[in-house]
Order: sequence, then C-alpha cells, then structure tokens
Amino acid sequence: AQSVSQHNHHVILSEAASLELGCNYSYGGTVNLFWYVQYPGQHLQLLLKYFSGDPLVKGIKGFEAEFIKSKFSFNLRKPSVQWSDTAEYFCAVNAGGYNKLIFGAGTRLAVHP
Amino acid sequence: DGGITQSPKYLFRKEGQNVTLSCEQNLNHDAMYWYRQDPGQGLRLIYYSQIVNDFQKGDIAEGYSVSREKKESFPLTVTSAQKNPTAFYLCASRHRGGQGDTEAFFGQGTRLTVV
Repeated sequence: AQSVSQHNHHVILSEAASLELGCNYSYGGTVNLFWYVQYPGQHLQLLLKYFSGDPLVKGIKGFEAEFIKSKFSFNLRKPSVQWSDTAEYFCAVNAGGYNKLIFGAGTRLAVHP
Repeated sequence: DGGITQSPKYLFRKEGQNVTLSCEQNLNHDAMYWYRQDPGQGLRLIYYSQIVNDFQKGDIAEGYSVSREKKESFPLTVTSAQKNPTAFYLCASRHRGGQGDTEAFFGQGTRLTVV
C-alpha cells in the first residue's frame, strides 16, 4: 500500500534561513507527487507538482522540489524563507494508474521575523 | 467561476445522529475525494470516487458512507457508528486520464462538531 512520510512535524526558522522539508513515499512504480500549503485559516493550495520529466520542479513563491526516484523522495526547498511562509505544508502521492491520493501528516512551519 | 463548494461551513451534530456533508464541483472532474483533517495527522483519506456510481474506501472509511449519483456531487454521510466524528472534513476533485492528470482542487471544508 502506498504511504507518505513527512519527517519534520514542526520547523522553526528565522527569516532569510533556508528551508528543506523531507517527504518520502512508498510505492515502486510511477508516481505523481505534490506539495500543498495551508496558510492559517485558508484552504489548501498547490505549491508544485511532479508528473514526469525534469526531476527538479519549480513552484510558486520561490519553492522548488526535487524528485529522487532511487530514494523515493520529493523534498521541498526554499533558499530564503519569509515570515509569510508560516503555514502547514503537505506532501501527497498518487500511484500511477490509481486514483488514490495520499497525504503525509504535514509539517508546521513557523518563520520568525 | 469553477470550483468546489462544500456546505455547510460549520455543522453541529448530537451523538447518535447521522449527518450528511455536501460537496459539489463544476470543474467537470471525474475523480472526487473526501479527507478528514485532524491536528498532527494530516489529511486522511475516507472515500474516493473515480467515476459516477463508483467509489472506493480509503484508509479510514469505517463509520462513513458516500454516494456518487452525479458527476458533480459526492456527499459524505457521517454515521452514528463513527466513534470520533469531530473533525475538519475536506472534499477534493481532480481530472484523471485523457488530456492528462491534474492536481487535486480543494473545497473550503466543513468543520463538524459533535455535541
């Protein structure tokens, strides 16, 4: 069965620090990968997605993620965070050919000015 | 505007009662999903549907039921058998196949409280 692990549950950073959030999944075949963000009081928004092609994916607001197939990972990065990046971040996986879309437990990021 | 509408935004239920949460989409998406969001547990999949008149259990289907009689509608019933129904419920939809897959689009959610 497919599953998603997000290793960091809470991350606290100062503004301008670099961010990397881990995401690992368990499924041996073709996958679609996503990162979503949920700002306080708002609904889930897509940050970026990977379906195929270049494993380095760029998303909105300066975020990027790298798909490393050999490590079953899809880590999210941002070189310099801002206070406005304070939110909860979710990694999601859809195994190829199936409609089951599974989310990780989320990482709550707090950025201090 | 295209999107997903969940109603109501807040819902209170007495113990022992069934309650139905509405989810409607006008995005012409085939696949629809119901998730439950609890603090520290992320989004857990309750049920999902690939096409009309078809749906599958997700990881936490016990105590819930769904129907998919129309492409645009995927209501979720929280039954009295659900032991801990107080939670935030999210509905999503996405396009699959044909022109290509899309990401999932989410509604604003329904917060259910059992009193």
